[in-house]
Amino acid sequence: AQTVTQSQPEMSVQEAETVTLSCTYDTSENNYYLFWYKQPPSRQMILVIRQEAYKQQNATENRFSVNFQKAAKSFSLKISDSQLGDTAMYFCAFMKPPIQGAQKLVFGQGTRLTINP
Amino acid sequence: DARVTQTPRHKVTEMGQEVTMRCQPILGHNTVFWYRQTMMQGLELLAYFRNRAPLDDSGMPKDRFSAEMPDATLATLKIQPSEPRDSAVYFCASGFFSFLAGGNTIYFGEGSWLTVV
Repeated sequence: AQTVTQSQPEMSVQEAETVTLSCTYDTSENNYYLFWYKQPPSRQMILVIRQEAYKQQNATENRFSVNFQKAAKSFSLKISDSQLGDTAMYFCAFMKPPIQGAQKLVFGQGTRLTINP
Repeated sequence: DARVTQTPRHKVTEMGQEVTMRCQPILGHNTVFWYRQTMMQGLELLAYFRNRAPLDDSGMPKDRFSAEMPDATLATLKIQPSEPRDSAVYFCASGFFSFLAGGNTIYFGEGSWLTVV
């Protein structure tokens, strides 16, 4: 079974700084998808960024980028120029590719990120 | 702006009462998930459906929980009888997946906050 591990329960940085959240996963699959979801205090789960394992290029969405190291099974999230609105719980998640009955997200434990003014 | 809609947003009920949570997935999505989030267990997959058929409900306590999709626009999660340990945020999520077309993104509703006293 796949597992996802986020080793940093909490992190705190100053506004405008860059912060990196760590995630490692365990799988025997060669093709899969990785995600970062953001959960602000409202509890809404918001997709931040998505990476397909067969793509070597790291995904980027505005201030958010990932460092995907497939051999190391590592998928870290970098937030540049952090903003107060980035304060949230961040979840790393894994999903197998679309074959019958396989599409379910496996989540890490989450990292609580606080951006201080 | 397509979104997954959940009702109720908040529910407080007494132990032993029946609770029904409803979800309207995004139009056109063929896969619906129910997740539960607690402090202790994090995000757990309870059940999911493909084209309204249950694919996996192994995460759901069968004696008191049931999940159905009466039609493509409605998914329900029922707890009967409810217990204090069922207090959690219940998320519905949906996505479109097919073996040929692929698909790799799951969108979450805002969650139903359940408190059983």
